[in-house]
Amino acid sequence: AQSVSQHNHHVILSEAASLELGCNYSYGGTVNLFWYVQYPGQHLQLLLKYFSGDPLVKGIKGFEAEFIKSKFSFNLRKPSVQWSDTAEYFCAVKSWGKLQFGAGTQVVVTP
Amino acid sequence: GAGVSQSPSNKVTEKGKDVELRCDPISGHTALYWYRQSLGQGLEFLIYFQGNSAPDKSGLPSDRFSAERTGGSVSTLTIQRTQQEDSAVYLCASSPPDQPQHFGDGTRLSIL
Repeated sequence: AQSVSQHNHHVILSEAASLELGCNYSYGGTVNLFWYVQYPGQHLQLLLKYFSGDPLVKGIKGFEAEFIKSKFSFNLRKPSVQWSDTAEYFCAVKSWGKLQFGAGTQVVVTP
Repeated sequence: GAGVSQSPSNKVTEKGKDVELRCDPISGHTALYWYRQSLGQGLEFLIYFQGNSAPDKSGLPSDRFSAERTGGSVSTLTIQRTQQEDSAVYLCASSPPDQPQHFGDGTRLSIL
């Protein structure tokens, strides 16, 4: 069965620490990959996307992600987090039109 | 510009009642999607429209769930004879062809 797996359910870190969230998927063929973020009380927002080309993609707010085809991975990174990065982060794969989401990672950044 | 608009933002109803949830997509977006977000189940795909037709209804959990889209714009998700397990946040998203989806704020549905 096709699936999207996020490695951590909860992450707590201090401001200025580096963040890396893991995402693995099990789809064959061409996929489009996304990271979405949901800040408290807000709707899902697109952080970044990978369709093709350079496997290192940069998104908003200093986030980046690397697509490694051989590992079926699309990990999200930010070198130095801020308190405002507290949110839930979702990895998603688009296949046959629809998005399949990972379970999400709740990230809490402490001052 | 205007984003995806969903109404109502909150709905509380008694078990067994029917509910209708509305989604106004971003103007010009041909694709429209419904998802459900609930504790323990995460974000689940329900149904996808391209124009007024629904090429993928595979996520609808039962025949109590139906959706339609008219004029290539507004969509309504209907749940008949609601059950407590239907309690969730129902999210609508829209997109142009082959572009990322933009999400609305969702409708929080609570079944008493």
